[in-house]
Amino acid sequence: QVQLQESGPGLVKPSQTLSLTCTVSGGSVTSASYYWTWIRQPAGKGLEWVGRMFMRGSTNYNPSLKSRVTISIDTSKNQFSLNLSSVTAADTAVYYCARLTDFWSANYRMDVWGQGTTVTVSS
Amino acid sequence: QSVLTQPPSASGTPGQRVTISCSGSSSDIGSNTVNWYQHLPGTAPKLLIYNNDQRPSGVPDRFSGSKSGTSASLAISGLQSEDEADYFCAAWDDSQIGLLVFGEGTKLTVL
Repeated sequence: QVQLQESGPGLVKPSQTLSLTCTVSGGSVTSASYYWTWIRQPAGKGLEWVGRMFMRGSTNYNPSLKSRVTISIDTSKNQFSLNLSSVTAADTAVYYCARLTDFWSANYRMDVWGQGTTVTVSS
Repeated sequence: QSVLTQPPSASGTPGQRVTISCSGSSSDIGSNTVNWYQHLPGTAPKLLIYNNDQRPSGVPDRFSGSKSGTSASLAISGLQSEDEADYFCAAWDDSQIGLLVFGEGTKLTVL
């Protein structure tokens, strides 16, 4: 059974780069069947799509974050990561990683999620 | 930046049937299938419905989904106390490749 676990600093200073990692267990990030995604939820607000990455290098980012976000995969560690630069208080949120399956069809869905990790941007 | 519109709250008593709506536009729900997720704070969101009305294995048939035009609905019948959670809808937005949009979420209270 595939499990995802987010990790990273819970506190980031304004203007710095937020870096999170999602460790995949019970499966492989090199699978051609999935996209690996990041989603966030600011306190009291709805979910926001951050972006997705395919193991062969294809990425798509939320246009509102595109200039600041990078998602990458480390196959040696079976992990994928999120880097968000020049953060502000508006980037304070719970960040989730998730697996996106059947992405080419009407059956697309995020079928496995991490528990989420809270990141606060504050000096 | 929620694009899909959901009511902020819904409620019902045990055994009742409740529905939660999700309204979008021609570029998202109107063009793509809808997913529904259940979320309890502090836990991983759980997939409830995909492709508008399909249930993953393990999801009780008390949960059902439908879609018409640019709107979708999640229905929960035989409401149980453990159904108290946040529910949110999601769909691709064709205005941007690889952009998934979500609803703001609906907090369901079981009275």
